[in-house]
Amino acid sequence: EPEVTQTPSHQVTQMGQEVILRCVPISNHLYFYWYRQILGQKVEFLVSFYNNEISEKSEIFDDQFSVERPDGSNFTLKIRSTKLEDSAMYFCASSFRGANTGELFFGEGSRLTVL
Amino acid sequence: DAKTTQPTSMDCAEGRAANLPCNHSTISGNEYVYWYRQIHSQGPQYIIHGLKNNETNEMASLIITEDRKSSTLILPHATLRDTAVYYCIVRPYNNAGNMLTFGGGTRLMVKP
Repeated sequence: EPEVTQTPSHQVTQMGQEVILRCVPISNHLYFYWYRQILGQKVEFLVSFYNNEISEKSEIFDDQFSVERPDGSNFTLKIRSTKLEDSAMYFCASSFRGANTGELFFGEGSRLTVL
Repeated sequence: DAKTTQPTSMDCAEGRAANLPCNHSTISGNEYVYWYRQIHSQGPQYIIHGLKNNETNEMASLIITEDRKSSTLILPHATLRDTAVYYCIVRPYNNAGNMLTFGGGTRLMVKP
């Protein structure tokens, strides 16, 4: 069964460092998303991406964050200068259609620990 | 987004049906009801969605009341692997807002 894969599964970084989280969405999917979940809290939407541009983003997704689809398969989330409060599980998701007309397929997540 | 209200936690005996309620009294006519679950900090998993008719798939059944103000997710024969947090989400059927807003969900504990 096709699945969304994410790397790394766990990354530890120092505050102020840049981090890139990588995702390989399901191959025929057109919509891509990043969500995050701080330990013990709700799953929060960060950004959605369609047709090589951001279609929606939340207040969390400030100038420190960026997304990119550098080739036909990868979808990346970059955090330019990490803060302690960026420590969270980051989930990538993809869907063939938009979230309102189909389901999202989530990856297993990348745990980011900022020290 | 229309808000949903779910019980914080529920228990269910293994092999029995798990019935998870959700109230969405402010749902509007173009909003669908979605159910996802999250097993122990894994990525959320889509279960089922519906508009006004009852729906069934290989995972679960979704019963939506006639006034659409509440719904129930039914896992017909719960197993230990169904222990998870279950999220009820309502979203409009359009392309303008394609994000999902997760609430606190219901923590279902399936017990042997």
